[in-house]
Amino acid sequence: DQQVKQNSPSLSVQEGRISILNCDYTNSMFDYFLWYKKYPAEGPTFLISISSIKDKNEDGRFTVFLNKSAKHLSLHIVPSQPGDSAVYFCAASDSGTSYGKLTFGQGTILTVHP
Amino acid sequence: DSGVTQTPKHLITATGQRVTLRCSPRSGDLSVYWYQQSLDQGLQFLIQYYNGEERAKGNILERFSAQQFPDLHSELNLSSLELGDSALYFCASSVPNSPGGPNYGYTFGSGTRLTVV
Repeated sequence: DQQVKQNSPSLSVQEGRISILNCDYTNSMFDYFLWYKKYPAEGPTFLISISSIKDKNEDGRFTVFLNKSAKHLSLHIVPSQPGDSAVYFCAASDSGTSYGKLTFGQGTILTVHP
Repeated sequence: DSGVTQTPKHLITATGQRVTLRCSPRSGDLSVYWYQQSLDQGLQFLIQYYNGEERAKGNILERFSAQQFPDLHSELNLSSLELGDSALYFCASSVPNSPGGPNYGYTFGSGTRLTVV
């Protein structure tokens, strides 16, 4: 039962353009969402998060949007840079019961071309 | 350096064998989580420890076990290994949290790549 899904295995974008990565979830108890970035041979690193009481959170070039009614979130990267090329994982948490456990999507490979 | 140390980085072993993966959490973090990433799969939660006690269990096989020691380092033991156990095993640690508290995400180690031949 995949409670967090990233339906696009890969995304290719030109440098300077916008990258939009999508994530869907099914568990309505999830109330905190995070994005992680992973380079080869490294562990995932935290990028940005959003609580379910918000619908948008911005940090520099990165913005996460949350649509609770659609159970959908997206990560926007503007402008995209070649160094952003990595695997991006969406994750979700039920802070009421999970003791911090995160449920991850399968990941999306982002390639930013110069 | 994320502050979470995992050893060894690579491990090659034969089917039927037993291995131990080790994780030292970031200084001050009491929670340790283990995740498995198989080919083309996302990160699958295995188990969590908080200050030495098991707190949550995911899709962890009975052949796998873990513990957290008084110095807070954790070990994941994998026994009767099968080819399908080949994967990246990540450890992560976080600041203490409790139900209803905020989850600020956590810090991952660089992983142990296990290859079963």
